[in-house]
Amino acid sequence: ETGVTQSPTHLIKTRGQQVTLRCSSQSGHNTVSWYQQALGQGPQFIFQYYREEENGRGNFPPRFSGLQFPNYSSELNVNALELDDSALYLCASSLEGQGASNEQFFGPGTRLTVL
Amino acid sequence: GDSVTQMEGPVTLSEEAFLTINCTYTATGYPSLFWYVQYPGEGLQLLLKATKADDKGSNKGFEATYRKETTSFHLEKGSVQVSDSAVYFCALSPTSYGKLTFGQGTILTVHP
Repeated sequence: ETGVTQSPTHLIKTRGQQVTLRCSSQSGHNTVSWYQQALGQGPQFIFQYYREEENGRGNFPPRFSGLQFPNYSSELNVNALELDDSALYLCASSLEGQGASNEQFFGPGTRLTVL
Repeated sequence: GDSVTQMEGPVTLSEEAFLTINCTYTATGYPSLFWYVQYPGEGLQLLLKATKADDKGSNKGFEATYRKETTSFHLEKGSVQVSDSAVYFCALSPTSYGKLTFGQGTILTVHP
């Protein structure tokens, strides 16, 4: 069973640029959640995708957007990067639905640095 | 809104010492409560969980009891090991699934 994978591992961008982060969910999972973890802080919920639809969103501006594909992998896109977007971006997959365990399994994260 | 507060860290202990990391929460209704652990260079791993009041979650010698009356979910371990050195996060979810709200994390360092 393959766990949650994320790419790239590290990324450096400049202010104003756009970035796309990718996540492959664990086999059999249908839901992906994205979190932003600033240095020394706990993760903050960005949004969740369930069966290719956004299923909840945290307090992040519209320049944070996402997609989920038919194979349940997902992308996080951030436009007009700001210095404060520098963080570890975590993806978590889970199996949602009646009778499912709903436990979220986290990937290792993508470290984004905005200069 | 929902929030989680963890004790200030970091925590430094000698091997075999007793560990307590305090966690309190604010939420409406009856959230599910979790402890996650993050080892250096790795993603978050679920350590234990409790889904209703008075439930005790346990795993790898760690325990935490869901206390509705004190809105707390303190993490304990009777005898820590060097391998327990990591960052520990308390979290809640409004149901047994959905978004997680995390505390700020507590760094634990265990010396031989």
